[in-house]
Amino acid sequence: DAMVIQNPRYQVTQFGKPVTLSCSQTLNHNVMYWYQQKSSQAPKLLFHYYDKDFNNEADTPDNFQSRRPNTSFCFLDIRSPGLGDAAMYLCATSRAGLNTEAFFGQGTRLTVV
Amino acid sequence: AQKITQTQPGMFVQEKEAVTLDCTYDTSDQSYGLFWYKQPSSGEMIFLIYQGSYDEQNATEGRYSLNFQKARKSANLVISASQLGDSAMYFCASAPLGDSSYKLIFGSGTRLLVRP
Repeated sequence: DAMVIQNPRYQVTQFGKPVTLSCSQTLNHNVMYWYQQKSSQAPKLLFHYYDKDFNNEADTPDNFQSRRPNTSFCFLDIRSPGLGDAAMYLCATSRAGLNTEAFFGQGTRLTVV
Repeated sequence: AQKITQTQPGMFVQEKEAVTLDCTYDTSDQSYGLFWYKQPSSGEMIFLIYQGSYDEQNATEGRYSLNFQKARKSANLVISASQLGDSAMYFCASAPLGDSSYKLIFGSGTRLLVRP
């Protein structure tokens, strides 16, 4: 049974048209992450939530926003997607403070046309 | 700040042989965890093995073992008896274990190809 679910798996959006990616979890983990991964590169952390506390990476463009309305859900909003934003977006969850790994969703592959 | 370095962009190994994937890390945290993930071409990230900075013994999980040398800040992954299905990208990652921060950072990855 999937524990971290990302929707949709594939998203095509137009240049400049806002798009939202969603992530849900059934693990009740307090930390949720959003990563951007371009082809053959390492996942790049965009931001993470520790409970409701939002932690933005210094080099995350302002074009990227996130919302976490409750423990189970987290959203990635791209306000004005550019061609360079085409990538795989990975959501992950973990339980802070314990010796557990992060659980990843299947990812959403974003194409910008 | 955390930094993970994987110096092998690509590796080949013959089926049934063992292979070591290198990982060095740099962190100012007192307590931290080290992780290895496998990413096949399908894109999913699969957790393989975990090592805590305070663990005195090297972690093992089936065919995977982690060669942890704290003084050298290295956490190499050893895959024994390689299988064709092991062909994938492998990422080393670290995260602090304090309550105030749990940022998981990845290295650049190593692409492993298992030859029949």
